Amino acid sequence: DSGVTQTPKHLITATGQRVTLRCSPRSGDLSVYWYQQSLDQGLQFLIQYYNGEERAKGNILERFSAQQFPDLHSELNLSSLELGDSALYFCASSVAGGIMTGELFFGEGSRLTVL
Amino acid sequence: EDQVTQSPEALRLQEGESSSLNCSYTVSGLRGLFWYRQDPGKGPEFLFTLYSAGEEKEKERLKATLTKKESFLHITAPKPEDSATYLCASAHGGSQGNLIFGKGTKLSVKP
Repeated sequence: DSGVTQTPKHLITATGQRVTLRCSPRSGDLSVYWYQQSLDQGLQFLIQYYNGEERAKGNILERFSAQQFPDLHSELNLSSLELGDSALYFCASSVAGGIMTGELFFGEGSRLTVL
Repeated sequence: EDQVTQSPEALRLQEGESSSLNCSYTVSGLRGLFWYRQDPGKGPEFLFTLYSAGEEKEKERLKATLTKKESFLHITAPKPEDSATYLCASAHGGSQGNLIFGKGTKLSVKP
């Protein structure tokens, strides 16, 4: 158990809809990262928050947004969903804002299926 | 473009049959090379960090090494419980805080 909690574990929705994925980081971790994993692309970095502030942005679509709340939990909002958004979405956390140790703690992911 | 490429995509071994997984990288200003293990239905689990060519790290039957262009994950006398997908990732000088992951090598160890 990594200590990172993600909900929901599975989500099935229709194209055009909006969903929210939730992540609670490990106790004491200030950084939260969101990654998308699909069969053809592998793990792709979306966005990072550190202590409530956006720290880094990857190839995150404009239809996607995230935030980190004062209690450090984070939410990833996906809107105007398309079939291609079907994937596993992972949240990870780490203590520091940087990633020089490379040691991220990943949750078990939220599997999104868009029909 | 910064890239991390892993080979082979899949590897089947008999229990006890040692082998190596390869990770080649083309990134500017490498600031770390990382290995993760991912079991089906789970998130990746951190294994090692390597920072400079010549560095080696070991954990049980796994040993990771790093050269200027690639990293190897050596598996000695593997057991069925070593079956998983092994992911390689890099952080680079121009990174805005993200890891670049390879697509992984799926290892199957048969008893």
